[in-house]
Amino acid sequence: NAGVMQNPRHLVRRRGQEARLRCSPMKGHSHVYWYRQLPEEGLKFMVYLQKENIIDESGMPKERFSAEFPKEGPSILRIQQVVRGDSAAYFCASSRSTAAWDTEAFFGQGTRLTVV
Amino acid sequence: DQQVKQNSPSLSVQEGRISILNCDYTNSMFDYFLWYKKYPAEGPTFLISISSIKDKNEDGRFTVFLNKSAKHLSLHIVPSQPGDSAVYFCAARTETSGSRLTFGEGTQLTVNP
Repeated sequence: NAGVMQNPRHLVRRRGQEARLRCSPMKGHSHVYWYRQLPEEGLKFMVYLQKENIIDESGMPKERFSAEFPKEGPSILRIQQVVRGDSAAYFCASSRSTAAWDTEAFFGQGTRLTVV
Repeated sequence: DQQVKQNSPSLSVQEGRISILNCDYTNSMFDYFLWYKKYPAEGPTFLISISSIKDKNEDGRFTVFLNKSAKHLSLHIVPSQPGDSAVYFCAARTETSGSRLTFGEGTQLTVNP
């Protein structure tokens, strides 16, 4: 049973380009969470999705950022017109139900986005 | 507004000794606390947790202590091993935050052989 898979592991984008980060949850998991870790900081919650629904996007910047979790396929975090301040590690976690974080939510290895 | 703070960016201990990692919080609504361990280029992995109705939880070499009046928790690792070298994050959630964890900045633990 593969864990949470994120790709790409590393992504380099020039300012103004779009970045697409993918997260395939663990088998049987229908809840996905995205967190961002800026350099020298802890992880910050961005968005919580279930299949085809955004449940909580209170941590997501209002502009340029969007997330989806379609019925088929991975969850996508999209950042349009990237700026240098978007450079960070983006982590996805998944769970079978509303997260009992100690027993059933698992993080992926992250995507490290570098904006040049 | 940093609601969960880990004031020590780094900690270095000798193998076999005790490691004590500290975490302070400001939000009195937090009712569940977790510690995560993170190696470079990997995602965080769950280590141990504690509910606000308890003041101690133990799992093998790892013990978490919660002092609600001081809004302080600590993770004790004893004996420390070189493989414990990693970044340790403290995280918390409220009853209503459900899916949302609030993380501290992390403490880099180095265990020297």
